[in-house]
Amino acid sequence: GAGVSQSPSNKVTEKGKDVELRCDPISGHTALYWYRQSLGQGLEFLIYFQGNSAPDKSGLPSDRFSAERTGGSVSTLTIQRTQQEDSAVYLCASSLAGQKETQYFGPGTRLLVL
Amino acid sequence: AQSVTQLGSHVSVSEGALVLLRCNYSSSVPPYLFWYVQYPNQGLQLLLKYTTGATLVKGINGFEAEFKKSETSFHLTKPSAHMSDAAEYFCAVSDQVQFYFGTGTSLTVIP
Repeated sequence: GAGVSQSPSNKVTEKGKDVELRCDPISGHTALYWYRQSLGQGLEFLIYFQGNSAPDKSGLPSDRFSAERTGGSVSTLTIQRTQQEDSAVYLCASSLAGQKETQYFGPGTRLLVL
Repeated sequence: AQSVTQLGSHVSVSEGALVLLRCNYSSSVPPYLFWYVQYPNQGLQLLLKYTTGATLVKGINGFEAEFKKSETSFHLTKPSAHMSDAAEYFCAVSDQVQFYFGTGTSLTVIP
């Protein structure tokens, strides 16, 4: 597709279980970002990948959160031992190298932890 | 440190009326400023951005914003609201390393 895609679009899980969220960036975009959008709050930066460089993990809220990007394309955000406060919309964005100011966002994954 | 404040979590305007969504920022470096729009069940779409140069920037769908350094503001305006403008609007600032988003303003357009 032409845009950033994310899957699943919705995820309901039980507290304590692990979840994996997937992001497919726009082809050719070397930069990839994960954000969390909680109810009534703005977007919270989680992690940033740029090419083969070490990711910027400064936004990850706890060690239960991790992300990887395989082959410089698809990325997976993993949340271990989910908590109710992890319920949010998780947005992925991608951009061309050197054009970080123009990020293209996916539709998000809505995560509900019961 | 960078931060963004959007005044008014909900704004209602009549169709055809002026739209004004307020955004103030704090930045320790020359900021890059952005407005994004999010329609229901969709991702964020870039409306406009300011990086350098002219302080009045024009975006898509008739929106524009003016960077006022003295007021640390980047308010979004549109002369005449359309029903299709109803959405959530996010202001963001970037220090060229990370993006910092405001909490969003939900715009309702009344017919």
